[in-house]
Amino acid sequence: NAGVTQTPKFQVLKTGQSMTLQCAQDMNHNSMYWYRQDPGMGLRLIYYSASEGTTDKGEVPNGYNVSRLNKREFSLRLESAAPSQTSVYFCASSEATPQSRETQYFGPGTRLLVL
Amino acid sequence: GNSVTQMEGPVTLSEEAFLTINCTYTATGYPSLFWYVQYPGEGLQLLLKATKADDKGSNKGFEATYRKETTSFHLEKGSVQVSDSAVYFCALSGTSGSRLTFGEGTQLTVNP
Repeated sequence: NAGVTQTPKFQVLKTGQSMTLQCAQDMNHNSMYWYRQDPGMGLRLIYYSASEGTTDKGEVPNGYNVSRLNKREFSLRLESAAPSQTSVYFCASSEATPQSRETQYFGPGTRLLVL
Repeated sequence: GNSVTQMEGPVTLSEEAFLTINCTYTATGYPSLFWYVQYPGEGLQLLLKATKADDKGSNKGFEATYRKETTSFHLEKGSVQVSDSAVYFCALSGTSGSRLTFGEGTQLTVNP
């Protein structure tokens, strides 16, 4: 039982390049999330998916797209990377049931540097 | 909208000292409240939570009580250890769904 896994662990991009961050969970969770973590700002929600086949914008969606490929996988795409997207990206998942309300399980993160 | 405010860090303590990290929130209705911990190089882990007023969450010697009258959820530990060095995040989830709102995080360093 690996929990939430993310790839890659670290990536360097040049401005304008594109890339996809991958996330998978093996806990059969309905909901999945993408956050970015910046110094002094905590975690901010980029996009989330409440269930397979649905996605919604979070607090800071501009410059990103997501795909909920199936129940296990939720990818985050940067179409044209900018230096402002330099950050640590975390994927999370949750059951989102009344019994285990909103407890989220996090992956180890992807550190992205955009030059 | 919802918001969470944590005490400014970083916090540096000696081993066996008493720890308090303040957290206050703004939310409508009755949110659930959480403390997450992030050890160096790792993702966030749930430390404890409380889902209704006056509930006390506890884990690994840490405690926090959901105080609706003061809209607070302060984290406390009676005797910290070097292994408690980490970043601590207060968070809330509103009544309309499972989205979390995080505070800015407090870096704790415990020296031997």
